[in-house]
Amino acid sequence: TQLLEQSPQFLSIQEGENLTVYCNSSSVFSSLQWYRQEPGEGPVLLVTVVTGGEVKKLKRLTFQFGDARKDSSLHITAAQPGDTGLYLCAGNVIGANSKLTFGKGITLSVRP
Amino acid sequence: KAGVTQTPRYLIKTRGQQVTLSCSPISGHRSVSWYQQTPGQGLQFLFEYFSETQRNKGNFPGRFSGRQFSNSRSEMNVSTLELGDSALYLCASSPSQGILTEAFFGQGTRLTVV
Repeated sequence: TQLLEQSPQFLSIQEGENLTVYCNSSSVFSSLQWYRQEPGEGPVLLVTVVTGGEVKKLKRLTFQFGDARKDSSLHITAAQPGDTGLYLCAGNVIGANSKLTFGKGITLSVRP
Repeated sequence: KAGVTQTPRYLIKTRGQQVTLSCSPISGHRSVSWYQQTPGQGLQFLFEYFSETQRNKGNFPGRFSGRQFSNSRSEMNVSTLELGDSALYLCASSPSQGILTEAFFGQGTRLTVV
């Protein structure tokens, strides 16, 4: 059983469209991170959310941490081909050790 | 500030051989974690080292081992390689061991076992 479920698994959209992807769990997290990974490279940290209900913006990307700290969403406005990549969420389960647990990721393709 | 450096970038080995991968963390980072990434399983946690001590270990067989040196550099070793060990091995460093363990990843070592 995957601790962090990401959906959808694959997404292919046209440049300029908006999209929202999700990261869900039945566990409570002390913090949650989103990473983007491009082919042949390591994941790059985009954002960390800590407080339930927290919303953070990074240019056209909006990240939200659920009130109960069990889930998170990533919304991209006016997607561009440069947004193409694998989006991973990862978190620290409350009460567990400091190990980061990763979801399997969402493969996003933005067509020009 | 230099990022996380992993060597080598690519490696081809034969079944039964062993391999050692190296990771140099960001300067000042004392925590190093290793992950195996495959298309089917995603990122699977191997182990974490902090101040030369293994703090956490994932569910991998004993063929997978690691260590950390006093300068925080880390190595992982895989013995008796199997075809299923083919994967991208990622190393990540963190400033400290704690709640906000944001990971800064290297580019990975692509291991192919033939």
